Amino acid sequence: NAGVTQTPKFRVLKTGQSMTLLCAQDMNHEYMYWYRQDPGMGLRLIHYSVGEGTTAKGEVPDGYNVSRLKKQNFLLGLESAAPSQTSVYFCASRGTEETGELFFGEGSRLTVL
Amino acid sequence: GQNIDQPTEMTATEGAIVQINCTYQTSGFNGLFWYQQHAGEAPTFLSYNVLDGLEEKGRFSSFLSRSKGYSYLLLKELQMKDSASYLCAVRDSNYQLIWGAGTKLIIKP
Repeated sequence: NAGVTQTPKFRVLKTGQSMTLLCAQDMNHEYMYWYRQDPGMGLRLIHYSVGEGTTAKGEVPDGYNVSRLKKQNFLLGLESAAPSQTSVYFCASRGTEETGELFFGEGSRLTVL
Repeated sequence: GQNIDQPTEMTATEGAIVQINCTYQTSGFNGLFWYQQHAGEAPTFLSYNVLDGLEEKGRFSSFLSRSKGYSYLLLKELQMKDSASYLCAVRDSNYQLIWGAGTKLIIKP
């Protein structure tokens, strides 16, 4: 049972380059999220999706785009990477239960030089 | 603004009990969560409180007081593997999670 899988796990970019992070979940969850985690700060929501074909902005959406063409996949794109986007990125998903427990991927460590 | 406060770091001894506090000010309240995150790994769910009182789950318990905007996570019979960061998060009126910065718990033999 894979749960939530993120690729790649590590990536180094130069300023201005673009890249896409892929998140895949096999739990048939409706809700998917992209967070970034920086030292000394709580997880911050970048974008989220409440179902296939839908996306919405979170707390820190600038510089990122997302797509949810298939229910199981949620892609996070950086069109022109900046050093401020150096971070650890986590994808998460949840079902529709009241508890709303989040299931996280292993994280993707991105460094922008 | 919305705010979650928890201590940055705590130290405890193997076999002892530790209490990690979390205070919050949010726009509405729809539940409070505790997650555990080992260094270099993903957060994993520990507990969920939506009503006042204590929820016990094995060695871990979580308490909530909505009137005080306060929760704590109680860890008993500490083991070395409990060394991790503990994240407090509150679900607001928009059903979005607001996260604290986490408490790094160091367990000493």
